[in-house]
Amino acid sequence: SAVISQKPSRDICQRGTSLTIQCQVDSQVTMMFWYRQQPGQSLTLIATANQGSEATYESGFVIDKFPISRPNLTFSTLTVSNMSPEDSSIYLCSVEDMGGLYGYTFGSGTRLTVV
Amino acid sequence: GNSVTQMEGPVTLSEEAFLTINCTYTATGYPSLFWYVQYPGEGLQLLLKATKADDKGSNKGFEATYRKETTSFHLEKGSVQVSDSAVYFCALSSYSGAGSYQLTFGKGTKLSVIP
Repeated sequence: SAVISQKPSRDICQRGTSLTIQCQVDSQVTMMFWYRQQPGQSLTLIATANQGSEATYESGFVIDKFPISRPNLTFSTLTVSNMSPEDSSIYLCSVEDMGGLYGYTFGSGTRLTVV
Repeated sequence: GNSVTQMEGPVTLSEEAFLTINCTYTATGYPSLFWYVQYPGEGLQLLLKATKADDKGSNKGFEATYRKETTSFHLEKGSVQVSDSAVYFCALSSYSGAGSYQLTFGKGTKLSVIP
């Protein structure tokens, strides 16, 4: 299965600033997924990032707040813009593992605290 | 739409006790079923999976059987250890069209094992 390197692992940020999270995969993948996990909650899909096209956002998430880049088949970034304390969460990237029916591999997550 | 329901936590057990975490699902088609584990401060790891009815997934002493007739995928372990303390997520993946799959998570069950 793929190996994902995600960074930073954690950060404490001031409100109103932005943070960019990076995910590097050790193999080429078509789609990369970005999730948010609010404290004590399950995972919510933010968007799906395909190389060469704009990301597809889920209901409740917008590009201005969570811009995503996907410059090649092994790398993606998620930016959390104009942060507020409500953005304090764990953010995770994910890729399909040999097709969506066989599982997904997740990065180790970025634990974001906004103060 | 698809949904996953798993038992509410937290669950507290003594070491060597038997563990069951219930999971039921609603899905169209033929989903794959997964259990993911999240250890404190870490990302998600795939614990086990089953891709068709009557399959049994197993790993690290944990087991779950894909029961189509009861739409269930209950997680069991015969003797838990302190190191099993984590949050466990039941999830399903189903085909959503145009070559893509949708991953749906349950809300997670926090397990604490005390010596």
